[in-house]
Amino acid sequence: ETGVTQSPTHLIKTRGQQVTLRCSSQSGHNTVSWYQQALGQGPQFIFQYYREEENGRGNFPPRFSGLQFPNYSSELNVNALELDDSALYLCASSLWQGRVSGTQYFGPGTRLLVL
Amino acid sequence: DAKTTQPPSMDCAEGRAANLPCNHSTISGNEYVYWYRQIHSQGPQYIIHGLKNNETNEMASLIITEDRKSSTLILPHATLRDTAVYYCIVRGTGTASKLTFGTGTRLQVTL
Repeated sequence: ETGVTQSPTHLIKTRGQQVTLRCSSQSGHNTVSWYQQALGQGPQFIFQYYREEENGRGNFPPRFSGLQFPNYSSELNVNALELDDSALYLCASSLWQGRVSGTQYFGPGTRLLVL
Repeated sequence: DAKTTQPPSMDCAEGRAANLPCNHSTISGNEYVYWYRQIHSQGPQYIIHGLKNNETNEMASLIITEDRKSSTLILPHATLRDTAVYYCIVRGTGTASKLTFGTGTRLQVTL
């Protein structure tokens, strides 16, 4: 158990809808990263949040957005859902100290199915 | 971040040591080697990481060659619960230091 929790565990949406996924960081961590894992592939980096601001982004369109709250929890929002957005969404928390970013610990993920 | 190369699959008998290789020939001096594993449909689990010295923890040992161009993850006594996809990742430690996952090695532990 890493102490990173995600909700919901599973979700079904239809094309064009919007979805919000949630993540609670491990105690003491201040950075949250989000990853998308399509079936049969490795996780792909979406973006990272530190001090409530986006701090790095992968190759994902603007309809993927996020928030980080003062308690370091985070949300991933996806607008205008497409069928290809069906995937396991993973959040990972870590501690950023000065110039060193620590080990990322993952939550169990949210499985999203877009019909 | 440097790219890594791993064999797509390996088998190991239960109770024997599992040695998983990884090549990272373009690794930079300030980049670490991280290992994660992912059991079916679960979130990746952190195993171990190192810079240039060999490392050991309760889960595994990490052997990094002197030139740092390759490494080996060792599970000393594999069990059926170690069946998973193992990812070797090279990562810096600056801000927004993301994890770049490849396809990993699928380790099958058998009786």
